[in-house]
Amino acid sequence: GAVVSQHPSRVICKSGTSVKIECRSLDFQATTMFWYRQFPKKSLMLMATSNEGSKATYEQGVEKDKFLINHASLTLSTLTVTSAHPEDSSFYICSLPPGAYNEQFFGPGTRLTVL
Amino acid sequence: GDSVTQMEGPVTLSEEAFLTINCTYTATGYPSLFWYVQYPGEGLQLLLKATKADDKGSNKGFEATYRKETTSFHLEKGSVQVSDSAVYFCALRGYNAGKSTFGDGTTLTVKP
Repeated sequence: GAVVSQHPSRVICKSGTSVKIECRSLDFQATTMFWYRQFPKKSLMLMATSNEGSKATYEQGVEKDKFLINHASLTLSTLTVTSAHPEDSSFYICSLPPGAYNEQFFGPGTRLTVL
Repeated sequence: GDSVTQMEGPVTLSEEAFLTINCTYTATGYPSLFWYVQYPGEGLQLLLKATKADDKGSNKGFEATYRKETTSFHLEKGSVQVSDSAVYFCALRGYNAGKSTFGDGTTLTVKP
């Protein structure tokens, strides 16, 4: 069964609005979660690592004020795309960090389309 | 830093053809190696993995062998099916590293 869920799976919004994407760990308590962005026909780009109880760690070049990340509990991390623009349209995927067996569990992804 | 180089796609094969997707890596120490598969509109799923040199990972007819001497982890399948159509990502994770490094992905299309 699924280990990580994301909601919504698809969202279409108008330019200038904010969109929140939820990532839930269903079977594990996670003190960290990874957020990736995937462009069409491209690999995953790590955006940030959310940390339960503290600030997220952003990768170089990722706008912190644009992509707000909150790790509210050991099972929930959220990514909010603020003042969305069409260039923010992408596939966003969250992931648990590799566990005891090295496997990294990914959420099913959220397709964001900004009109 | 660590890096993964994958064979460029897209790859188009007929059903029952033999598949090879090349993957080479650069890393310090002894990383673990992975192949992930992404079906259309979905997230990534682990396909197989190998954690030390000469290990062979296998799953669903796919195989890959960890070759330290050539720093490679090529993915193979003897007879592909239409349902294997997906994007395949090679990845590595260094010892004690929290994050994985991914290749750019290779799109496979299998035609009936």
